[in-house]
Amino acid sequence: DAKTTQPTSMDCAEGRAANLPCNHSTISGNEYVYWYRQIHSQGPQYIIHGLKNNETNEMASLIITEDRKSSTLILPHATLRDTAVYYCIVRSSNFGNEKLTFGTGTRLTIIP
Amino acid sequence: DAGVIQSPRHEVTEMGQEVTLRCKPISGHDYLFWYRQTMMRGLELLIYFNNNVPIDDSGMPEDRFSAKMPNASFSTLKIQPSEPRDSAVYFCASRETVGEQYFGPGTRLTVT
Repeated sequence: DAKTTQPTSMDCAEGRAANLPCNHSTISGNEYVYWYRQIHSQGPQYIIHGLKNNETNEMASLIITEDRKSSTLILPHATLRDTAVYYCIVRSSNFGNEKLTFGTGTRLTIIP
Repeated sequence: DAGVIQSPRHEVTEMGQEVTLRCKPISGHDYLFWYRQTMMRGLELLIYFNNNVPIDDSGMPEDRFSAKMPNASFSTLKIQPSEPRDSAVYFCASRETVGEQYFGPGTRLTVT
């Protein structure tokens, strides 16, 4: 699976949009981009995933560049409860490749 | 659904003792994953099962670790004998045939 690069940490003001970037320049055509987050002392939580089109759900939006080499997770109105470590993961859709390889992620702190 | 259930939530044991961690996946999920999280190594996949059969145990650190899934609603991760370097948070996750992984709350293991 392709390797991802994320900033180590970011701050965002409460109520503002949080934009978390991820680089995955070696991504291949059958690899999806997944985002999970881990709130302190809890298990990771799925947020969203996409292949090449932008995606939106009740938690966030995922914007993938046309060349698929980078993406941005957007939390539209960040709250204090969004403070967490956010992981960007690239995973192949091939059957038998069920692994999620977690990197170091981005520690997002929401400032009151 | 109650989500993925893990027990115990905290375990403190002495070096050399046997430790058994338990997991109940979400009903109807046919994949089960065991992860370990430490400050030094982050979140690592140890082993995963599909339909109760171990598929990939390449992440299991050594022979002291073993995992079983006797039925669709129960799995164990056993460490025998335990060592201080096994201290970590162990997460169990489950998933349907396709879809995202749902993580349990984790078991914090301390080996003294």
